[in-house]
Amino acid sequence: EVQLVQSGAEVKKPDASLKISCKASGYNFNKYWIGWVRQRPGRGLEWMGIIYPDDSDTKYNPSFQDRVIISVDKSISSAYLQWNTVQPSDTATYYCARPFGEGTLDAFDLWGQGTVVTVSS
Amino acid sequence: DVHLTQSPSTLSASVGDRVTITCRASRSIAHWLAWYQQKPGKPPKLLISETSTLETGVPSRFRGSGSGTEFTLTISSLQSDDSATYYCQQYLAYAGDTFGQGTKLEIK
Repeated sequence: EVQLVQSGAEVKKPDASLKISCKASGYNFNKYWIGWVRQRPGRGLEWMGIIYPDDSDTKYNPSFQDRVIISVDKSISSAYLQWNTVQPSDTATYYCARPFGEGTLDAFDLWGQGTVVTVSS
Repeated sequence: DVHLTQSPSTLSASVGDRVTITCRASRSIAHWLAWYQQKPGKPPKLLISETSTLETGVPSRFRGSGSGTEFTLTISSLQSDDSATYYCQQYLAYAGDTFGQGTKLEIK
């Protein structure tokens, strides 16, 4: 089955570090871009960035570039979103998503289930 | 960067109604526009890609149209299951904000 399975919910204190994951299965992980989307409580979708696993080419939304790092581990078909320090404003559900075309930056037809991140003192 | 503006922000309609959601781009994105449906607590679901291509399994009452800077999502005969928030997304350029702000559709 083609799917993206994300890591579980996280509760962090401000200034903590955090890394969440997205494990792909059922398709050639290396050959499809994989992106991250933020959704704050009660708010809309925000595209954060996208990475091509084969060569780690990464594109960031400038609004997020200085706050997060997107990476992959091809050996285990996983993508990651990490923060050096999280703040309450990072409280959100984070989705990984895959475009429908191999090697192309298309619309996202495959989504993970979401990881809820709560940052509170 | 391309900025998308959706209208209306909220919409209330009855079962059987025809509804239209508009998405305007700040510059031409040709036909590189998608529509998603999101229900509470769930990830978005791709409904339409390349302006008008219906994804497999999406009911034919959903229709996308437009080009350049103005696009519409039309639901021809609203069903109760269509209650959701709808987002447009441009994918001409993954360089900044790519999603519209969303339209919440409520069934009366």
